[in-house]
Amino acid sequence: KNQVEQSPQSLIILEGKNCTLQCNYTVSPFSNLRWYKQDTGRGPVSLTIMTFSENTKSNGRYTATLDADTKQSSLHITASQLSDSASYICVVSAYSNYQLIWGAGTKLIIKP
Amino acid sequence: GAGVSQSPSNKVTEKGKDVELRCDPISGHTALYWYRQSLGQGLEFLIYFQGNSAPDKSGLPSDRFSAERTGGSVSTLTIQRTQQEDSAVYLCASSPGRGGGETQYFGPGTRLLVL
Repeated sequence: KNQVEQSPQSLIILEGKNCTLQCNYTVSPFSNLRWYKQDTGRGPVSLTIMTFSENTKSNGRYTATLDADTKQSSLHITASQLSDSASYICVVSAYSNYQLIWGAGTKLIIKP
Repeated sequence: GAGVSQSPSNKVTEKGKDVELRCDPISGHTALYWYRQSLGQGLEFLIYFQGNSAPDKSGLPSDRFSAERTGGSVSTLTIQRTQQEDSAVYLCASSPGRGGGETQYFGPGTRLLVL
């Protein structure tokens, strides 16, 4: 069964600190993996997308990694800011399948 | 418009009533998706429209749910005889429609509460 699992479920860190969010998936065949940021009360917004051949992708202070062999991805946030408080969702697309498999997300809270 | 818009933003209804949720996709986007997000849960795919093709309704949880897309643009999600378990945020997304796995652009959602 195609699944995406994320950890931790929630995380609280102090402003300025770094953090890493994890995503494990069992989707096959794999097409691409995305990380979305969802602010409270808003729709998700795409942060990064990686295909099978890509190991890392950066978007400002966000860096995503992908290990297609172990089917794991991580999202690293550097020098966190209060505005980073949101849910971060890992989404995997199966090849030629427009139906995305969504993780439940990690709720990140940044405290001053 | 600049982005995907949805209306209403909030809807409170009584059990057994019908509701209609509206989505205006980004102009020119041929692909349109409806999702449901229950509190603390991941997004649940409901239905997908692509151009003039027959929609993929495989995610609709029951025959109380239906959706249509008129003129390849605006879409309406209808829930008949609402139940309390229908309470959730209903998100609409659109994408250019050039291929699978492309970035989807989301609206703000409609928060539905069934009493």
